[in-house]
Amino acid sequence: GEDVEQSLFLSVREGDSSVINCTYTDSSSTYLYWYKQEPGAGLQLLTYIFSNMDMKQDQRLTVLLNKKDKHLSLRIADTQTGDSAIYFCAETISWNSGYALNFGKGTSLLVTP
Amino acid sequence: KAGVTQTPRYLIKTRGQQVTLSCSPISGHRSVSWYQQTPGQGLQFLFEYFSETQRNKGNFPGRFSGRQFSNSRSEMNVSTLELGDSALYLCASRSGVAEETQYFGPGTRLLVL
Repeated sequence: GEDVEQSLFLSVREGDSSVINCTYTDSSSTYLYWYKQEPGAGLQLLTYIFSNMDMKQDQRLTVLLNKKDKHLSLRIADTQTGDSAIYFCAETISWNSGYALNFGKGTSLLVTP
Repeated sequence: KAGVTQTPRYLIKTRGQQVTLSCSPISGHRSVSWYQQTPGQGLQFLFEYFSETQRNKGNFPGRFSGRQFSNSRSEMNVSTLELGDSALYLCASRSGVAEETQYFGPGTRLLVL
């Protein structure tokens, strides 16, 4: 399929906000997701947004969705060293009554003290 | 509820061998999807099973196959292993009724020598 685009690296200082951006491809995606992956681990669902929403806030996480530009962003407030990980955005592709996630290549977030 | 479990967690095989990986979804979930994660290609969809039927398949050769049992547990098999099959294989489950959140297991890391 087409590529979901994300920047590869982001470095922030502890306590600052982090913003990770994503451009997706399928305008018919009903849900858009953010997953977190720590070294040697699987994917942890962080949050998701329904396509009829512009914004969703969940504690330190804020997701913004611009459907016109197919742009999704994840803001992490008060970033901590424990937030260092790879963050993947994903869109849902549907066909044959099933669904698959189309992932970006991931953004490596490094949080420095 | 217990999360998605995958066995084994680590596996070492040699070229030409075959391998079977197992996934137990979250209780009550009927859909199981498999993804391959490699440094070069990122996360790629392999296939989705729902009620023992394969709903769709990603762009992988026929050496990659799977099945789902009546208790929703799923296995995937890779025959005639190649070096390039070395990857983290991730299983995800969802209820399967509609497009909704997929929850991932910790993955099986396969190394082909």
